[in-house]
Amino acid sequence: AQSVTQPDIHITVSEGASLELRCNYSYGATPYLFWYVQSPGQGLQLLLKYFSGDTLVQGIKGFEAEFKRSQSSFNLRKPSVHWSDAAEYFCAVGSSNTGKLIFGQGTTLQVKP
Amino acid sequence: DGGITQSPKYLFRKEGQNVTLSCEQNLNHDAMYWYRQDPGQGLRLIYYSQIVNDFQKGDIAEGYSVSREKKESFPLTVTSAQKNPTAFYLCASSSGLLRETQYFGPGTRLLVL
Repeated sequence: AQSVTQPDIHITVSEGASLELRCNYSYGATPYLFWYVQSPGQGLQLLLKYFSGDTLVQGIKGFEAEFKRSQSSFNLRKPSVHWSDAAEYFCAVGSSNTGKLIFGQGTTLQVKP
Repeated sequence: DGGITQSPKYLFRKEGQNVTLSCEQNLNHDAMYWYRQDPGQGLRLIYYSQIVNDFQKGDIAEGYSVSREKKESFPLTVTSAQKNPTAFYLCASSSGLLRETQYFGPGTRLLVL
């Protein structure tokens, strides 16, 4: 069965420090993958997506993610975190058969001044 | 501006009452979705619709019902059969079902009185 694991429930980084949020997926075929961000009480905003091609994907707000098939991972990175990046981040995998998205449990990012 | 609107932002339900959450999109998307979000559980799919007058159950459809009479609208009814309705409900849409990006509305928080 498809699944997505975000091992870190909560992460705290200092402003200006680098960030990496982990995402591991389980899917039999070639997945398509997303990272979304959610501010408190708001909907989800798409940060970036991977469908095929270049395994390093650039997104909005300075985020990037790298698809590593051998590790079944799609980790999100940012070289320098800003206080406004504090939010909850969700990784999701899409089924090529049904189109349904399976979401991870989310990682809450706190940014220290 | 194109987008997805959800109303109301907050909704209160009395025991034994059915309530309906509104979702409207002006993106000309064919597919629409309803998700339920609980703390620490990510998003779970309730119902989805690929085209007008057609919809499918998701992973947690019990106690919910939907209709899709217009392309722009996909209302969700939380029935009295849903014993634990307190959650954040998110509506999403995409141009198609397979290998398409889902875009999310701002959400409705349902609380039980």
